[in-house]
Amino acid sequence: SQQGEEDPQALSIQEGENATMNCSYKTSINNLQWYRQNSGRGLVHLILIRSNEREKHSGRLRVTLDTSKKSSSLLITASRAADTASYFCATDGETGANSKLTFGKGITLSVRP
Amino acid sequence: GAGVSQSPSNKVTEKGKDVELRCDPISGHTALYWYRQSLGQGLEFLIYFQGNSAPDKSGLPSDRFSAERTGGSVSTLTIQRTQQEDSAVYLCASSLLGPLVGGTEAFFGQGTRLTVV
Repeated sequence: SQQGEEDPQALSIQEGENATMNCSYKTSINNLQWYRQNSGRGLVHLILIRSNEREKHSGRLRVTLDTSKKSSSLLITASRAADTASYFCATDGETGANSKLTFGKGITLSVRP
Repeated sequence: GAGVSQSPSNKVTEKGKDVELRCDPISGHTALYWYRQSLGQGLEFLIYFQGNSAPDKSGLPSDRFSAERTGGSVSTLTIQRTQQEDSAVYLCASSLLGPLVGGTEAFFGQGTRLTVV
């Protein structure tokens, strides 16, 4: 079963605008990660935020984590056409032997030039 | 090699035949995952290997699917008596540490696109 659920499912914005994507999850986690996928092949890791962190930045990316609401958001500032891709959140379970990395269904981001 | 390598990159097989998909993880990575992704869908977890522990097979969709990881390195996913619904991209990923021992980013291969005709 999939732990994380992203929303919206699809997002279309103009180049230069900010893109905000959300992820909700069900069980406790050790960390939450965001990945990007182009053309339906291998995923590329973007950022990892641990359960004791609330916010993290990497270049134009900003990730927040609210463990009380079991949710995270990924903000891409000053978007570019090259940011067009699918974005996935991934979580691991904090619960012992069942802990493994599971992904949501993803968000399709289109950035119009 | 520098990254996770998967082979073949594409495989077309006839219904009923067996297939083997290979994954070479990054050297030294203790955790290895297999996922399946159908067109336009998310990643479906299949199986997870962590060090010398028994693998987590909870995501394998049927007993036609099996996987092994030899010597803590190369992994092979085998699908027996393939069906058309097995058609998908099969993705392998490895990470230095698994979730239970700290959790680190996963590195993905480019996947094997399996088409069952």
